[in-house]
Amino acid sequence: QSVLTQPPSASGTPGRRVTISCSGSSSNLGSNTVSWYQHLPGTAPKLLIYANNLRPSGVPDRISGSKSGTSASLAISGLQSEDEADYYCGAWDDSLKGYVFGTGTTVTV
Amino acid sequence: QLQLQESGPGLVKPSETLSLTCTVSGGSISSSSYYWGWIRQPPGKGLEWIGSIYYSGSTYYNPSLKSRVTISVDTSKNQFSLKLSSVTAADTAVYYCARHHRHDNWNDPWGQGTLVTVSS
Repeated sequence: QSVLTQPPSASGTPGRRVTISCSGSSSNLGSNTVSWYQHLPGTAPKLLIYANNLRPSGVPDRISGSKSGTSASLAISGLQSEDEADYYCGAWDDSLKGYVFGTGTTVTV
Repeated sequence: QLQLQESGPGLVKPSETLSLTCTVSGGSISSSSYYWGWIRQPPGKGLEWIGSIYYSGSTYYNPSLKSRVTISVDTSKNQFSLKLSSVTAADTAVYYCARHHRHDNWNDPWGQGTLVTVSS
């Protein structure tokens, strides 16, 4: 049972921008940082954003993250066909004393 | 470059115990900044965190799985392991191991994942 809620799907045309939301509560997003992952079928999930808005080395700057209160969002601009994948947010939950993932969003280009 | 690799049986019978090992290479499992975790993805479903362990042996478990899960670490082999008891078909999933940053709580890198099917 995911405690972080994401829209099931999002879509956009090549070159445009898509935004994915992640809604949580005071015990997770409200008190801890969020990270975002890209998951292509048959591959290992890839870290895209950590500590709310930081990009690991190698992640292009057309990918950005933000967080406000108990909600977070991931934005992908300049959409490319290679961005078609599942995206998950994740955060530590102080009440559950565990890590929680979002429900996941499938992006279609 | 740090790499993680899962290993273990791909088929487990119902009611038995699923056992997987994650081997860490290119870095030490005894780093003070990281936990080491297990995550799974059932077919057609999302990611589910199973639990994490520190090199000292301190653990956190998903409350929904806690009664059936044991995660252990072997620093001499740079490995950590997962045991999930009394498995059912609902435990069929791709199982991933990953490094977990203990302060900012992100997971990276991940292993490639291994499919475990529960079936008689």
